Amino acid sequence: DAKTTQPNSMESNEEEPVHLPCNHSTISGTDYIHWYRQLPSQGPEYVIHGLTSNVNNRMASLAIAEDRKSSTLILHRATLRDAAVYYCIGRLGSARQLTFGSGTQLTVLP
Amino acid sequence: NAGVTQTPKFRILKIGQSMTLQCAQDMNHNYMYWYRQDPGMGLKLIYYSVGAGITDKGEVPNGYNVSRSTTEYFPLRLELAAPSQTSVYFCASSPGTDYGYTFGSGTRLTVV
Repeated sequence: DAKTTQPNSMESNEEEPVHLPCNHSTISGTDYIHWYRQLPSQGPEYVIHGLTSNVNNRMASLAIAEDRKSSTLILHRATLRDAAVYYCIGRLGSARQLTFGSGTQLTVLP
Repeated sequence: NAGVTQTPKFRILKIGQSMTLQCAQDMNHNYMYWYRQDPGMGLKLIYYSVGAGITDKGEVPNGYNVSRSTTEYFPLRLELAAPSQTSVYFCASSPGTDYGYTFGSGTRLTVV
């Protein structure tokens, strides 16, 4: 299965880049790697997802290792509004449903 | 474009009561999901649906039922509420297996 491993917590200073790591050594070759974030008292919010190559969007960049055993979510310039729990997820099951782990709590310091 | 709409936002139930949590999406997504999130924990999948008329159990289905008669709606039914079902419930939808999910804002349920 596509179990993922993330650090429980990380800290960053405001306006600096943040690199959030994720290990997914058992991910299958056809499973996308998804990242979501959850702000306090809100539902999860889609951030980015990718399969093999690096991906960019307006929120973040996703760097995927060549062997696909790990990936890094990059927030180019952290703001206080980026403080959230970040989930790295692989898809499981016949419907490839997302299975959430405990995520990384990101604290952004002013 | 409303996205995924969940009602109610808050509810207090007494033990043994029943209720239906409503979920509607206006994006014509085939895939829909129900998750629950206990305090300080990650999300656990209760049920999911890959299209109208098709539903299947997730990780924690006991005590819940679902139906999917149309693409738009995916209600979650609690028949005999128990304190262990106190949680925040999130509904989500997706166009397909390789796409991101859109989540609703959640229903906070307390069973006393």
